[in-house]
Amino acid sequence: DQQVKQNSPSLSVQEGRISILNCDYTNSMFDYFLWYKKYPAEGPTFLISISSIKDKNEDGRFTVFLNKSAKHLSLHIVPSQPGDSAVYFCAASSSGAGSYQLTFGKGTKLSVIP
Amino acid sequence: ETGVTQTPRHLVMGMTNKKSLKCEQHLGHNAMYWYKQSAKKPLELMFVYSLEERVENNSVPSRFSPECPNSSHLFLHLHTLQPEDSALYLCASSREGASLRGYTFGSGTRLTVV
Repeated sequence: DQQVKQNSPSLSVQEGRISILNCDYTNSMFDYFLWYKKYPAEGPTFLISISSIKDKNEDGRFTVFLNKSAKHLSLHIVPSQPGDSAVYFCAASSSGAGSYQLTFGKGTKLSVIP
Repeated sequence: ETGVTQTPRHLVMGMTNKKSLKCEQHLGHNAMYWYKQSAKKPLELMFVYSLEERVENNSVPSRFSPECPNSSHLFLHLHTLQPEDSALYLCASSREGASLRGYTFGSGTRLTVV
């Protein structure tokens, strides 16, 4: 049973517009949420994260929103650039000593069209 | 350069072969991980080592055997694999366990079992 779901396998956005990538989770014990970006032939790279005590975290063009009641988070990229074209993975974990499990979604492939 | 180096980048092996994947990090991290990425599936955690001690083994078949000789190196020994084991194998490291800083991934080894 998938605990982290990214229901859109792909998304196409025009350059300069906003990209919104969505993620849902089922495990109420998750309190750390992360987004990773992956280019072909490379490993995932950490992009941005948020803890459950916040509902928004912003870093430059990237903003992550968390809606705990809906168990939903989203990544906004504004403005989108062609270099943002990649696969984006949502991941979640629970905090606490001895916690190592980072659970990933299947990813959403973003294509930013020039 | 991600700080986590995996070798080889590509590997083709027969079902009766024995091979090893290598991962190296010099980031001063205490935990190291093996993940498997199969087509159209989420990244699956295989093994976790913390301070050279295995702390998680997610029901991985015994034909995969991890080894962590020190905090900078991690190996995955492979023997009598099946074609369905063909996947991208990713190594990652982190300073501690689950946190908002996430993991640093290597570029992966693309394994093909023939």
